[in-house]
Amino acid sequence: NAGVTQTPKFQVLKTGQSMTLQCAQDMNHEYMSWYRQDPGMGLRLIHYSVGAGITDQGEVPNGYNVSRSTTEDFPLRLLSAAPSQTSVYFCASRSTSYEQYFGPGTRLTVT
Amino acid sequence: EDQVTQSPEALRLQEGESSSLNCSYTVSGLRGLFWYRQDPGKGPEFLFTLYSAGEEKEKERLKATLTKKESFLHITAPKPEDSATYLCAVRALTGGGNKLTFGTGTQLKVEL
Repeated sequence: NAGVTQTPKFQVLKTGQSMTLQCAQDMNHEYMSWYRQDPGMGLRLIHYSVGAGITDQGEVPNGYNVSRSTTEDFPLRLLSAAPSQTSVYFCASRSTSYEQYFGPGTRLTVT
Repeated sequence: EDQVTQSPEALRLQEGESSSLNCSYTVSGLRGLFWYRQDPGKGPEFLFTLYSAGEEKEKERLKATLTKKESFLHITAPKPEDSATYLCAVRALTGGGNKLTFGTGTQLKVEL
């Protein structure tokens, strides 16, 4: 099992550019989520999905879009990047016992 | 609003020097308290889940305990490889139980 995989590992964007962060899991988990991690703020939930075709907003959803067409994949789209979106992004999937498994992260810098 | 506070922010121990990390929480209806370990440049790694006051879980040199207001992660005779940031998170009734609220972590360094 590869677990949760994320691409790319690093990305630099200019303000206003758009991009998609990819996330995939091979554990057949229904629940997947995206977090951002900023110094001194802890992990904050951006969006989550409880299954294919079902998504919902988390704590900090503005500027991000998600969709879930398959159980395995949960991409995160930045519509128009802003410097405030400079962060480390983690994708996670959750087992039925609510244990979350995180990917290795994407470090994004917006200039 | 659910809140999680971890202390200390940073802790430096000598190898073999036991200590405890604290996670205080305020939630509406606790549905689980989770401990994670995070190494630099990596994603958090699941350690334990605790559900009710009095519960304890152990793994190697780590033991997690839970009361109605806080959780402790006890580290017995730590080794340098235990150096990492330890995160605490709670799942509560708010948000339909689908949201985890994380603390900001305790950065642990164990020296020879």
